[in-house]
Amino acid sequence: EDKVVQSPLSLVVHEGDTVTLNCSYEVTNFRSLLWYKQEKKAPTFLFMLTSSGIEKKSGRLSSILDKKELSSILNITATQTGDSAIYLCAVYTGTASKLTFGTGTRLQVTL
Amino acid sequence: GAVVSQHPSRVICKSGTSVKIECRSLDFQATTMFWYRQFPKQSLMLMATSNEGSKATYEQGVEKDKFLINHASLTLSTLTVTSAHPEDSSFYICSARDEGDLGGYTFGSGTRLTVV
Repeated sequence: EDKVVQSPLSLVVHEGDTVTLNCSYEVTNFRSLLWYKQEKKAPTFLFMLTSSGIEKKSGRLSSILDKKELSSILNITATQTGDSAIYLCAVYTGTASKLTFGTGTRLQVTL
Repeated sequence: GAVVSQHPSRVICKSGTSVKIECRSLDFQATTMFWYRQFPKQSLMLMATSNEGSKATYEQGVEKDKFLINHASLTLSTLTVTSAHPEDSSFYICSARDEGDLGGYTFGSGTRLTVV
């Protein structure tokens, strides 16, 4: 059974801090790993990673995949209160073309 | 980018009634759509994969007679919660992937179902 685990489950930081969110997976037929941000409604897409060691960056967010370690990290620098959300990691496998989601990390950024 | 529209965003129904949720891909065709359920403070759980023109594929533990899925066209999938009970109250989200979009799966805005 495909499994995706995220850590920590929840995190509270002060504005301006840097955070690192972790995602590890055990799946068959790995194709790509995706990160999403979910506030009150549907998740919004952040990154899709397919190759190991290549960092993807968007503003203060960045992410990298390590296929050897079967994991990925999502970094957020200079956090802002607007970064407060649930961050979801999902792995896309070739099996039935579906996404398997991790447990999510709930991030709260306080003033 | 790809847009997926989900309707309604919120519905309250009485126990024993059925509720239909629609998911539309607005600017692309989706042969496959996915239905998820999310409980408070938990991650998304895949319920079923909706296949255009054929039967849906349900995940283990999901009752196919309770959660009816129809994917009649390349842009529309529907989820009907039949004989709803309070324990069916949840957040339901659909998603689809535009094969030409490297941005991954796009999600609908979700439907908050409350069964009273």
